[in-house]
Amino acid sequence: QVQLVQSGAEVKKPGASVKVSCKASGYSFSSYGVTWVRQAPGQGLEWVGWTAAYNGNTNSAERLQGRVTMTTDTSSSTAYMELRTLTSDDTAVYFCARHSNGADYWGQGTLVTVSP
Amino acid sequence: SYDLTQPPSVSVSPGQTANITCSGHRLGNEYVCWYQQKPGQSPVLVIYQDDKRPSGIPERFSGSNSGNTATLTISEAQPMDEADYYCQAWDSSILYVFGTGTKVTVL
Repeated sequence: QVQLVQSGAEVKKPGASVKVSCKASGYSFSSYGVTWVRQAPGQGLEWVGWTAAYNGNTNSAERLQGRVTMTTDTSSSTAYMELRTLTSDDTAVYFCARHSNGADYWGQGTLVTVSP
Repeated sequence: SYDLTQPPSVSVSPGQTANITCSGHRLGNEYVCWYQQKPGQSPVLVIYQDDKRPSGIPERFSGSNSGNTATLTISEAQPMDEADYYCQAWDSSILYVFGTGTKVTVL
């Protein structure tokens, strides 16, 4: 069965960087894209960006461009999302999801807390 | 930026029909998905490409999209359908935008 398993919770200081991993199994990783979504406490869903596992192409939300990098490692079927220069506004649960027709399978989420 | 607007809340009685709208400029020209999210859980895709149901999603969930409005319909609503629902549009450049979200209460 399709599964996406994300790395554990992180606590970071303002100005630091965080890298979240998302290990896929149960499908041909290179045949799909991976999308990243975040959700601040008590708030709605916000698209972070997308990466094509088959060629590494990426696209990200305009407000995060320049701070976010998304990569994939096809040898380990793992996607990564790195966010730099963190502020308290980046405190959120970060989700990865397989992109097919929409985001059809989701990881369990990774809580990133930015605190002095 | 492209905005998608949903009503903050919708209430429905068990067994009745709930309609959740999602409004955006010329939204009918884009594909729309709908997600269900229960507290503390990851979202679940319930509708894709405007009106298609993924495997395992009950038939009581249906979707439509035309003009400036997409609609998710929950027929014969059940208490288990109580959740937050988000619409999402994307285009060929794989740019996503999510709606503001709607809290559905079944009571």
